[in-house]
Amino acid sequence: AQKVTQAQTEISVVEKEDVTLDCVYETRDTTYYLFWYKQPPSGELVFLIRRNSFDEQNEISGRYSWNFQKSTSSFNFTITASQVVDSAVYFCALSAMNYGGSQGNLIFGKGTKLSVKP
Amino acid sequence: GAGVSQSPSNKVTEKGKDVELRCDPISGHTALYWYRQSLGQGLEFLIYFQGNSAPDKSGLPSDRFSAERTGGSVSTLTIQRTQQEDSAVYLCASSLARTGQSGGYTFGSGTRLTVV
Repeated sequence: AQKVTQAQTEISVVEKEDVTLDCVYETRDTTYYLFWYKQPPSGELVFLIRRNSFDEQNEISGRYSWNFQKSTSSFNFTITASQVVDSAVYFCALSAMNYGGSQGNLIFGKGTKLSVKP
Repeated sequence: GAGVSQSPSNKVTEKGKDVELRCDPISGHTALYWYRQSLGQGLEFLIYFQGNSAPDKSGLPSDRFSAERTGGSVSTLTIQRTQQEDSAVYLCASSLARTGQSGGYTFGSGTRLTVV
């Protein structure tokens, strides 16, 4: 079965703190993609990153970084020096290429609500 | 268009009425998805259209839900005899072919449905 678990329901930090959002996934496929999306209060889902299962290199984009570890089936997301504008719900998602008939379908975690206080 | 457009942005309806939600995907995107986000919940897959292939309806929660996609572009999600548990934000997304190849979905802003 395909599953994404975001164990942290809500996190609250003070501005400039670093924060890591955890994501653990399950899949039997050897080819799959992992994603992070941001959902600000406005409601629209904003694509942040895609990582394929063959590329375990960590990635850094400005204050954002992602740590992909196949050994632990985790794809964690770290925000360095958080800002109030980072306040949002963050979703981790999985897309497995051979999942039944829903190839390309995204399986989402339940999301982590991040609140960054000034 | 430049992005995925959904209408209406908000819909309040009485229990038992039918509603239609519209999604206009990005031009050229062959894949279109409908998701539902209930309060405090993650995103629940509903239905997937890919080109001219038969849609994947495996996520539709009941036979009151249906969707169509005309001409490979605009899609309409119909909920018949709405119930209060149908209240949610309905999100549409489109992508080029398979998600993995495209780099990700582009989501619309959603339709917030409230059944009273």
